Amino acid sequence: KNQVEQSPQSLIILEGKNCTLQCNYTVSPFSNLRWYKQDTGRGPVSLTIMTFSENTKSNGRYTATLDADTKQSSLHITASQLSDSASYICVVSRPTGGGNKLTFGTGTQLKVEL
Amino acid sequence: DSGVTQTPKHLITATGQRVTLRCSPRSGDLSVYWYQQSLDQGLQFLIQYYNGEERAKGNILERFSAQQFPDLHSELNLSSLELGDSALYFCASSWGSGGDGYNEQFFGPGTRLTVL
Repeated sequence: KNQVEQSPQSLIILEGKNCTLQCNYTVSPFSNLRWYKQDTGRGPVSLTIMTFSENTKSNGRYTATLDADTKQSSLHITASQLSDSASYICVVSRPTGGGNKLTFGTGTQLKVEL
Repeated sequence: DSGVTQTPKHLITATGQRVTLRCSPRSGDLSVYWYQQSLDQGLQFLIQYYNGEERAKGNILERFSAQQFPDLHSELNLSSLELGDSALYFCASSWGSGGDGYNEQFFGPGTRLTVL
């Protein structure tokens, strides 16, 4: 079954600290993996998109890694800020007959505190 | 601001009723996607339209239907509403059909539907 599992489910860190969020998937075959940031009550915003051949991609203080062999990805946030408080969603795309299908993880809820 | 607009922002209705949610994609985008996000649940893909035609179908109930008009805006119709249909409904748009899997989707602000 094609699934995307994220851990931890929730996380609280102090402002300025670093953190790493995990994503494991069983989706196959694989097109790409995306990380989204979703503020409460708002639509998700794309942070990174990685294909099979990419193993790291950065977007400012966000760095995503991908190990397609073990089907694992991580999102590392450095020097966290209060505005980083949000849900972070891992999404895996797989090719189907008519296009690509996205499978969404349930997200990691991050809270950054003073 | 993603450039994707959704109306209304909030909708409160009763069980058994029918509602219509509207989405306008970003300028130039041909694909529209609809998603449902229930409380504490992940995003569930409902349906995709590309240039006016249905492109992909996800976990969309038979009570739900959608269409994309010639001006590329889309509507999601929800009928015979049940309490469990209360959720955030997001629309996203992308330039391509998503066939290469790389098309980035831009999400709208969502419509919060409450069924009482």
